[in-house]
Amino acid sequence: NAGVTQTPKFRVLKTGQSMTLLCAQDMNHEYMYWYRQDPGMGLRLIHYSVGEGTTAKGEVPDGYNVSRLKKQNFLLGLESAAPSQTSVYFCASSYGPGQKPLAYEQYFGPGTRLTVT
Amino acid sequence: ILNVEQSPQSLHVQEGDSTNFTCSFPSSNFYALHWYRWETAKSPEALFVMTLNGDEKKKGRISATLNTKEGYSYLYIKGSQPEDSATYLCAFLNSGGSNYKLTFGKGTLLTVNP
Repeated sequence: NAGVTQTPKFRVLKTGQSMTLLCAQDMNHEYMYWYRQDPGMGLRLIHYSVGEGTTAKGEVPDGYNVSRLKKQNFLLGLESAAPSQTSVYFCASSYGPGQKPLAYEQYFGPGTRLTVT
Repeated sequence: ILNVEQSPQSLHVQEGDSTNFTCSFPSSNFYALHWYRWETAKSPEALFVMTLNGDEKKKGRISATLNTKEGYSYLYIKGSQPEDSATYLCAFLNSGGSNYKLTFGKGTLLTVNP
């Protein structure tokens, strides 16, 4: 049981390049989330998904796209990277209301450190 | 955007000291309050999920209380140890139609000196 995994762990991009971050979970969680963590800002929600084939915008969605084609995977895409997207990205997952009511405890991946030069 | 405030921002204590910090959140549309422990170079891990007013949870030397009517939660650490050094995050889950995403506070960074 690997929990939540993220690939890659580190990446350096040049401005304008694109990339995809992969998040995978093996806990059959319904909900998945992408956060970014910046100094002094805490964790901010980028996008989330409440089930396979669904996505929704969070607090800071601009410049990112996501897809949830399979229940266990949640992809975060940067189409044209900007220096402002330099951050540590965390993926998380949780049970949904139909699976385990009153929980929503989030399980986090190890993070991806992205630098855009 | 929901406002979740944590105080203090950072705290330095000596080994053996007891300490506490605060999380304040909106008192309306309450659904749940989470506490997470986040060690440096690791990812956040859940400590407590609290849903009922007056709830008190305990895990070893760490405990938390919840007041949903006034919108605050306290986290207490008794007899702090160096391994307690971490950032402690609280997160609020509201019931206003989108009860599946958390709003995180910025955290309290605790450093326990040996």
